Amino acid sequence: AQSVTQPDIHITVSEGASLELRCNYSYGATPYLFWYVQSPGQGLQLLLKYFSGDTLVQGIKGFEAEFKRSQSSFNLRKPSVHWSDAAEYFCAVGAGNNRKLIWGLGTSLAVNP
Amino acid sequence: DAGVTQSPTHLIKTRGQHVTLRCSPISGHKSVSWYQQVLGQGPQFIFQYYEKEERGRGNFPDRFSARQFPNYSSELNVNALLLGDSALYLCASSTFTSGPIYEQYFGPGTRLTVT
Repeated sequence: AQSVTQPDIHITVSEGASLELRCNYSYGATPYLFWYVQSPGQGLQLLLKYFSGDTLVQGIKGFEAEFKRSQSSFNLRKPSVHWSDAAEYFCAVGAGNNRKLIWGLGTSLAVNP
Repeated sequence: DAGVTQSPTHLIKTRGQHVTLRCSPISGHKSVSWYQQVLGQGPQFIFQYYEKEERGRGNFPDRFSARQFPNYSSELNVNALLLGDSALYLCASSTFTSGPIYEQYFGPGTRLTVT
């Protein structure tokens, strides 16, 4: 069965520090991978996606993610975190003919000034 | 262009009642999906509709139903509400391509509290 694991429930970083959020997936076919961000009281905003091709993908707000098939991972990175990046981050994999998204439990990011 | 809109923003219901949630997709998008997000968890897929037809259903009881209208807006209905139905209900719209996956754009959600 398809699944997504985000091992870190909560992460705290200092403003200006680098960030890496982990995501591991289980899916039998070619995965279609997404990272979304959810701020308090807000809906989900797409940060970036991987469908095929270059395994390093660039997204909005200075985020990037690298797809590693051998490790079944799609980790999200940012070289320098801003206080406004504090939010909940979700990794998702697209699955099935009905195109549904399967989601991880999310990682809550706090940013210290 | 307006994004995905959902109404109401919040509502409180009592166990056993019925609720209807509404969603208007982005102009030009013909597919709408519904997700339930319980506090502290990721969203769970409920339904997908395209051109007024159900194209996918998640693992939810028959108390949950939905429909899509000719203008592509959608309603999610939940009957016989349980305390466990308390959640943020998210609507996502997208184009519907022939490819295996597509980008989904989410609305702000409806926060349902069942007491």
